[in-house]
Amino acid sequence: DSGVTQTPKHLITATGQRVTLRCSPRSGDLSVYWYQQSLDQGLQFLIQYYNGEERAKGNILERFSAQQFPDLHSELNLSSLELGDSALYFCASSVGPINQPQHFGDGTRLSIL
Amino acid sequence: ELKVEQNPLFLSMQEGKNYTIYCNYSTTSDRLYWYRQDPGKSLESLFVLLSNGAVKQEGRLMASLDTKARLSTLHITAAVHDLSATYFCAVDRTGTASKLTFGTGTRLQVTL
Repeated sequence: DSGVTQTPKHLITATGQRVTLRCSPRSGDLSVYWYQQSLDQGLQFLIQYYNGEERAKGNILERFSAQQFPDLHSELNLSSLELGDSALYFCASSVGPINQPQHFGDGTRLSIL
Repeated sequence: ELKVEQNPLFLSMQEGKNYTIYCNYSTTSDRLYWYRQDPGKSLESLFVLLSNGAVKQEGRLMASLDTKARLSTLHITAAVHDLSATYFCAVDRTGTASKLTFGTGTRLQVTL
């Protein structure tokens, strides 16, 4: 158990819809990361937050957004969903913002029908 | 753009045999990670390699890092069925915000 909690574990929805994925980092970790794992693209970094502020951005679509709240939990919002958004979305956390080991949650499996 | 390549993509090996997974990356980095993933599961951290020449071992797995060659290896000794999983290397560029760039993964199947 990494200590990183992601909810929900599974999500099934339709094209055009909007969903929110939630992540609670390990106790004491200030940095949260989001990754997408799909068969087409492999594991890709989406975005990083540190202590409530966006720190780094990767291959995140404009239809996707994220935020980190004062209690350090984070949410990833995916809108106007397309079939290609079906993937496993991981959250990870670390103590600091740079060059820190990242601990991964169990992921949210998103299926678009 | 940082690129990370792993080979082989798929490896089927018999129990008791040895093999090596290779991870090449395209730009300077002094920090390399190895993760294990079981099907549909999370990523489990195996090794963190921080400097040139670093070698770490845990059980039947040994990882090494050559920053000059931009190469890391994961060596499997006397494989057992429980090692069957997908193994990823990931690179974190020193001095920037932490965003791991992952390799394609190597799916290891150890047969009895």
